[in-house]
Amino acid sequence: EAGVAQSPRYKIIEKRQSVAFWCNPISGHATLYWYQQILGQGPKLLIQFQNNGVVDDSQLPKDRFSAERLKGVDSTLKIQPAKLEDSAVYLCASSLDLTSPLHFGNGTRLTVT
Amino acid sequence: ELKVEQNPLFLSMQEGKNYTIYCNYSTTSDRLYWYRQDPGKSLESLFVLLSNGAVKQEGRLMASLDTKARLSTLHITAAVHDLSATYFCAVDNSNSGYALNFGKGTSLLVTP
Repeated sequence: EAGVAQSPRYKIIEKRQSVAFWCNPISGHATLYWYQQILGQGPKLLIQFQNNGVVDDSQLPKDRFSAERLKGVDSTLKIQPAKLEDSAVYLCASSLDLTSPLHFGNGTRLTVT
Repeated sequence: ELKVEQNPLFLSMQEGKNYTIYCNYSTTSDRLYWYRQDPGKSLESLFVLLSNGAVKQEGRLMASLDTKARLSTLHITAAVHDLSATYFCAVDNSNSGYALNFGKGTSLLVTP
């Protein structure tokens, strides 16, 4: 079974620039999550999708972050404009359904200078 | 808001010793997970604990759950260097859409 795929693996941008991350979940997984992990901290949920609908985006900074999951499969997370404090690893995870275990991708490490 | 607290946050221990990592959570949880993360790597699932009194063991690691105390423990027996990593506990419940809420992690270093 192929795992959760994320790209790019690393990204360095200057503050105020925009950036986008891509995630391809495990085939057949209905639930998709984006987490932000700042160095030295635990992952924090940004947004949770069930198919192509949003279940929870209460911790997503909507003035600069956006996410979509078209057709209920792949997802993109965008930051515009980026701030220094956005430097983190962005983890995508998927699960078969809301109550099944999460499978995490390798993450995208973002550095904002 | 579901809060998860781990302690200690940093742990340095000698090979062969035993130690316990604690995880407290603030509200009723449906499931409790333990994950391992190596530097620069993603999260690897270790255990899922579903009910009060649940105990799971894998090698030198044993996890337990006390839902009445809202407490889980991860016990390390006779530590070896390969166990050096960061360990996270995470909980979910229906109020959070079953999304995982993570603790800050316990960074474990096992030394000779």
